[in-house]
Amino acid sequence: GAVVSQHPSRVICKSGTSVKIECRSLDFQATTMFWYRQFPKQSLMLMATSNEGSKATYEQGVEKDKFLINHASLTLSTLTVTSAHPEDSSFYICSAGDRDRYGYTFGSGTRLTVV
Amino acid sequence: RKEVEQDPGPFNVPEGATVAFNCTYSNSASQSFFWYRQDCRKEPKLLMSVYSSGNEDGRFTAQLNRASQYISLLIRDSKLSDSATYLCVVSSGNTGKLIFGQGTTLQVKP
Repeated sequence: GAVVSQHPSRVICKSGTSVKIECRSLDFQATTMFWYRQFPKQSLMLMATSNEGSKATYEQGVEKDKFLINHASLTLSTLTVTSAHPEDSSFYICSAGDRDRYGYTFGSGTRLTVV
Repeated sequence: RKEVEQDPGPFNVPEGATVAFNCTYSNSASQSFFWYRQDCRKEPKLLMSVYSSGNEDGRFTAQLNRASQYISLLIRDSKLSDSATYLCVVSSGNTGKLIFGQGTTLQVKP
């Protein structure tokens, strides 16, 4: 089955630093990946849609200069949280796949804590 | 109004009980519908897709009513291992974006 690997699983960083999260499709090519954020006791909220070889599409209210997305290959998308602040602390999770064939597969998520 | 609405619960039921979750969605152009399960602090995992004709997978039955924009999940003979949050998910048009409901928490007790 389709496998999506997400790293790191957990990161603690100081306020003002940047954090990069990687999402890799291991056994299939993902032309599109989705990045979500989930705050405690809330639903997953779509942040952006990452398209291989082109610019990401951001949802309303998500700062594209703060959350940098790169999808340089068919198997790798990265999300960089720049100048992180404590309010950016959240569970970040990627999703990839072919909706017609594999359905959507989620990465295992990254729990970011900014101190 | 949220695009996908669910009763957050929690639903506390004894083992062996039958429990039903409901979900409504606002976008009539939505094309695909799913139930996902999410365990505490883990990623969501697909439980089942939902089809207009209704579909069943073991103890789980999902139904879709497009006219009422309503989705349901029925769990029969609840097990302790069914304790989790159940997410109603709708795919938006041709973009493939998944819109998640808040989730309904189920706690099955011995």
